[in-house]
Amino acid sequence: GENVEQHPSTLSVQEGDSAVIKCTYSDSASNYFPWYKQELGKRPQLIIDIRSNVGEKKDQRIAVTLNKTAKHFSLHITETQPEDSAVYFCAATYRDDKIIFGKGTRLHILP
Amino acid sequence: DGGITQSPKYLFRKEGQNVTLSCEQNLNHDAMYWYRQDPGQGLRLIYYSQIVNDFQKGDIAEGYSVSREKKESFPLTVTSAQKNPTAFYLCASRRRTSLGNEQFFGPGTRLTVL
Repeated sequence: GENVEQHPSTLSVQEGDSAVIKCTYSDSASNYFPWYKQELGKRPQLIIDIRSNVGEKKDQRIAVTLNKTAKHFSLHITETQPEDSAVYFCAATYRDDKIIFGKGTRLHILP
Repeated sequence: DGGITQSPKYLFRKEGQNVTLSCEQNLNHDAMYWYRQDPGQGLRLIYYSQIVNDFQKGDIAEGYSVSREKKESFPLTVTSAQKNPTAFYLCASRRRTSLGNEQFFGPGTRLTVL
């Protein structure tokens, strides 16, 4: 069935270093892949998204890459800062407008 | 942070009681969703509605019910049939963009069943 796998579940990086979170999806018909950030005690918010006809998208320090053949996509955060500490969720949208989320990655930025 | 609201923020109920969580949006969005969030489980879809008077089951609909009588409102009832109802519940509405569908989340309701 429809599934989105996300790794790792927890990630610790030194401030200033890069962080990479990876996701795979099961349905080749998925065509939209958003990433959400949830800070402690707050609601998830969209930070970047990509459509299946594009291989890469960048917005300042964050970027998303998509490999349709392998059915995986990744979030890259460069020059990490303390405010990047949060839980990040990847997601894939299916043909009936359902959005399936990954289980989340808790990112810790170490001083 | 405005546009979609949930109430109450915290809710306590005794085991065996039904409880209804409120979700209201003034964004004029057609579609609305209910998710359950448990530690390490991500966001799991309970129910969603793409239009008034219509809704579909998500992945974990058992023990829950919804209604969509108005575009602005999508209440979720947690029934006594839900075996483990203690969780954080998030409501969302959907905005269509040129890329896809952006979800706008409410602040959430933390339900504790005693």
